[in-house]
Amino acid sequence: DTAVSQTPKYLVTQMGNDKSIKCEQNLGHDTMYWYKQDSKKFLKIMFSYNNKELIINETVPNRFSPKSPDKAHLNLHINSLELGDSAVYFCASSNAGTFSHTRNTEAFFGQGTRLTVV
Amino acid sequence: AQSVSQHNHHVILSEAASLELGCNYSYGGTVNLFWYVQYPGQHLQLLLKYFSGDPLVKGIKGFEAEFIKSKFSFNLRKPSVQWSDTAEYFCAVADFGNEKLTFGTGTRLTIIP
Repeated sequence: DTAVSQTPKYLVTQMGNDKSIKCEQNLGHDTMYWYKQDSKKFLKIMFSYNNKELIINETVPNRFSPKSPDKAHLNLHINSLELGDSAVYFCASSNAGTFSHTRNTEAFFGQGTRLTVV
Repeated sequence: AQSVSQHNHHVILSEAASLELGCNYSYGGTVNLFWYVQYPGQHLQLLLKYFSGDPLVKGIKGFEAEFIKSKFSFNLRKPSVQWSDTAEYFCAVADFGNEKLTFGTGTRLTIIP
């Protein structure tokens, strides 16, 4: 009964390859996110989608392209993988388009995908 | 842009010791505040959150945090830690009317039995 699920959990691939990470949430949330956690455990937002529309696009290389076929899914496609892309990628979802004092909300995280580029 | 500072990078305590982890944020507007915990090899889980009202909030597993607006702080506390509290702790801030949740760099907590 996983709320936010990501696949795969582990991904090892060679430089230059193209790979995708899938994320699905069954919480009925409108907003989904992708976060990158580097080797020092620093968490940084990459993208946010609200009801299939891109809301936040931080300074992320164009090789990273999120795709949201519906509001329950937010997939991350990465082209021409580089060594520096190695990290843990977390998908998350929340039940508010924006955080506010009128909505008691929080972000729920998936278990993460550990990407290793060799 | 909002930034979040967690000054304690690694804290080592013995069981039963008291804990306080610092969290400060930069933007002084209306904010929502969170503490997340990441146990080894697991995903982030919410410990507690502040939206409005009583600035002292209580979360799961005996944790609490106090929002001090004048100090832009939201420190996490626990009176008596257990070995099972060993984890990485992240403070996060969301600005009012913003979808973005900004995380601090995390504090690694190691509890020695």
